[in-house]
Amino acid sequence: DIQMTQSPSSLSASVGDRVTITCRASQRTTNYLNWYQLKPGKAPNLLIYGASTLQSGVPSRFSGSGSGTDFTLTISSLQPEDFATYYCQQSYSIPPTFGGGTKVEIK
Amino acid sequence: QVQLQESGPGLVKPSETLSLICTVSGGSISSYYWSWIRQPPGKGLEWIGYIYYSGSTNYNPSLKSRVTISVDVSKSQFSLKLNSVTTADTALYYCARGRDGYDLWGQGTLVTVSS
Repeated sequence: DIQMTQSPSSLSASVGDRVTITCRASQRTTNYLNWYQLKPGKAPNLLIYGASTLQSGVPSRFSGSGSGTDFTLTISSLQPEDFATYYCQQSYSIPPTFGGGTKVEIK
Repeated sequence: QVQLQESGPGLVKPSETLSLICTVSGGSISSYYWSWIRQPPGKGLEWIGYIYYSGSTNYNPSLKSRVTISVDVSKSQFSLKLNSVTTADTALYYCARGRDGYDLWGQGTLVTVSS
């Protein structure tokens, strides 16, 4: 299985901050990398697929980059509704595997 | 819009079978892959398996011996059965649309394995 490692595991930030989350794969996944946002009691939300393509309806302050083994999710200006946990996931090989998550908390 | 809703018992005894249903509303179950994903308390996400609307399946090798996913197109439902459960199977179980990337999810249902 491909192991996905996210960092940091948590961070504190203020509204308006630029936030960057990184994800590293144990093997090359080309650009088969997705990002999700999870909030308690709500359905998870796909943010980015194919490493850098914004899912329909997702605000443009979210962006993704990277290829191969190293990927980044960036929130350009953190909004109150963005406090959540974020997960990367590789879709290059079966089984699909997820990172450990990054919890974004209010500073 | 299309919505997914998980349903099933919230408590299962050790060694018994966990059974969940995902109902797809507001859209067609046909022509899509449908997956089950779980999250144990305080831990990360784990893919369980997927089914195509035609019935073909693929399971996580770590669970393959205990998992069955089936589909009922006429009811717009797909289901999960996990047998011989232990406390390690306690988790929030999600159904989702997609084979290896998931653009639509249910809210999840908590299943606790306990005697």
